Amino acid sequence: NAGVTQTPKFRVLKTGQSMTLLCAQDMNHEYMYWYRQDPGMGLRLIHYSVGEGTTAKGEVPDGYNVSRLKKQNFLLGLESAAPSQTSVYFCASSYLPTGPGEKLFFGSGTQLSVL
Amino acid sequence: QKEVEQDPGPLSVPEGAIVSLNCTYSNSAFQYFMWYRQYSRKGPELLMYTYSSGNKEDGRFTAQVDKSSKYISLFIRDSQPSDSATYLCAMTGGGNKLTFGTGTQLKVEL
Repeated sequence: NAGVTQTPKFRVLKTGQSMTLLCAQDMNHEYMYWYRQDPGMGLRLIHYSVGEGTTAKGEVPDGYNVSRLKKQNFLLGLESAAPSQTSVYFCASSYLPTGPGEKLFFGSGTQLSVL
Repeated sequence: QKEVEQDPGPLSVPEGAIVSLNCTYSNSAFQYFMWYRQYSRKGPELLMYTYSSGNKEDGRFTAQVDKSSKYISLFIRDSQPSDSATYLCAMTGGGNKLTFGTGTQLKVEL
């Protein structure tokens, strides 16, 4: 089972460039999430989706956009990258909302550097 | 002040030691508590969850929650080099927002 797959694994951007991170899951999960992980800050929720065609803002949504056109895919876009967006990005999915025993399945992450 | 506080470590212990990892929190709405383990250059994976005060055991791992003190712990018995990872506490009151601690880096040495 592939689980949650993120592409690309590494990327270097110049300030002002745009890019899209792709997340794909093969577990038929309704819920998908994008997190960023920074030293000393932990994992912070950027955007999430509760089903195909839906998106919602998380804790740190500014500078990012998302789309969930297909149930299995969740895209994270950076329209004009800034050095503050240098981070490791994780996609996750779950069958139900986070709660007792509900497990988040994470991808392996995308290391993004913005110069 | 962060909602969840976790000592970042690094914590270095000899093989076979008992390890104690801790988090404190300030939000009384948190009802469900989890521990995730993250190996280097990998995504986190769920290790244990609990939603009541007291202890929960799973093999060498014990999760402890004290809601009155807003304090949770993860104990690892007979620690192994394969336990070397970053351990993240996470908690939620339900819904779609999971609040993570910053993680404690653990190294178990031979």
